[in-house]
Amino acid sequence: QVQLVQSGAEVKKPGASVKISCKASGFNFVTSYIHWVRQAPGQGLEWMGISNPSGGSINYAPKFQGRATVTRDTSATTVYMQLTSLTSDDAAVYYCVATARGYILDYWGQGTQVFVSS
Amino acid sequence: DIQMTQSPSSLSASVGDRVTITCQASQDISNFLNWYQQKPGKAPKLLIYDASILDTGIPSRFSGTRSGTHFTLTINTLQPEDIAQYYCQQYQNFPLTFGGGTKVEI
Repeated sequence: QVQLVQSGAEVKKPGASVKISCKASGFNFVTSYIHWVRQAPGQGLEWMGISNPSGGSINYAPKFQGRATVTRDTSATTVYMQLTSLTSDDAAVYYCVATARGYILDYWGQGTQVFVSS
Repeated sequence: DIQMTQSPSSLSASVGDRVTITCQASQDISNFLNWYQQKPGKAPKLLIYDASILDTGIPSRFSGTRSGTHFTLTINTLQPEDIAQYYCQQYQNFPLTFGGGTKVEI
């Protein structure tokens, strides 16, 4: 079955970076789109960016352009999302989401909690 | 960015009620609108895509409609397991954007 297993919770200081992994299995990783969505405590969903399939391009939401980097390791069927220059506003649960249907968010990881505190 | 205005932000209903949640797009998004359900502590789950198509395994009491830039999610005969937060999401343009969410309580 489709599985997206994300790395564990992180505690970071303001100004630091965080790198979250998302290990995929049970579907064709090469041809799938991988999105990143985050959710601050008690807040709604916020789309961050997408890794297009087959080694294609990455698109970021303008808010995260220059601060987020998504990379895909096809041999390890893993996607990584690094976010730099963290502030308290970046404290959130970060989800990776896989889909073969472009922008219809089918399969969600379990989420990775990121805490930012001095 | 396309703004998705979702209402109400919360509602209280009884088991068996019909519940309606709306989402207004700030510009034409055609049918490029999805609905998700999120239960506490869990990841969101896709319910409806392309405005009105029920995803596989979703109960038929859920339905979606579109009228211009106005979208509606209806839950017919509300069940206890439908208690959750609901979000709309557009994919007409980047960045993908979500509505603010609707909390459905009993």
